[in-house]
Amino acid sequence: NAGVMQNPRHLVRRRGQEARLRCSPVKGHSHVYWYRQLPEEGLKFMVYLQKENIIDESGMPKERFSAEFPKEGPSILRIQQVVRGDSAAYFCASSPGQGPAFFGQGTRLTVV
Amino acid sequence: QQQVKQSPQSLIVQKGGISIINCAYENTAFDYFPWYQQFPGKGPALLIAIRPDVSEKKEGRFTISFNKSAKQFSLHIMDSQPGDSATYFCAASRMDSNYQLIWGAGTKLIIKP
Repeated sequence: NAGVMQNPRHLVRRRGQEARLRCSPVKGHSHVYWYRQLPEEGLKFMVYLQKENIIDESGMPKERFSAEFPKEGPSILRIQQVVRGDSAAYFCASSPGQGPAFFGQGTRLTVV
Repeated sequence: QQQVKQSPQSLIVQKGGISIINCAYENTAFDYFPWYQQFPGKGPALLIAIRPDVSEKKEGRFTISFNKSAKQFSLHIMDSQPGDSATYFCAASRMDSNYQLIWGAGTKLIIKP
């Protein structure tokens, strides 16, 4: 019974490139959440999705960031035209209902 | 009004001692207060959580104390063990939107053998 799987674990992108972060929730979980963690800080909520729907994206930057959770396949967090300030750890969590239950190991994005 | 302030930033405790981490919140609408444990290279894991209708909750060696009037809550780890060495985060939210957690900055706990 695998937990929340995120890949890649580490991602290096040059400024201006696109970053795609993947999250496979716990089997049977239909709620997915994305959070961002800067060094020495707590996590910050970005977006809450259910299958094919964005429930709450109030924590997402208005530009360059998007998220989806298709009917089939993993949830994707997409960052276009990355800048150095996007460097952070991005965590995904899933649950069978509202509220993050299990977190993945995170993707550490470094923009060079 | 959305901040959660956590202290200390780092803490060293002898094996067998009591580790105490404190948090303070500002938003009186918050009614869900979890603590998370995070090991290096791992995601946070929910440790214990409390609602404001109780002043204390205990699970094994971990206890949350909650002071509603002072808007403070704390984590106590009794008989601290080297395996408890990790970063601990407090958080707060409204229960009806408990994914919008406001997180403290974290406390790096080291338990010396």
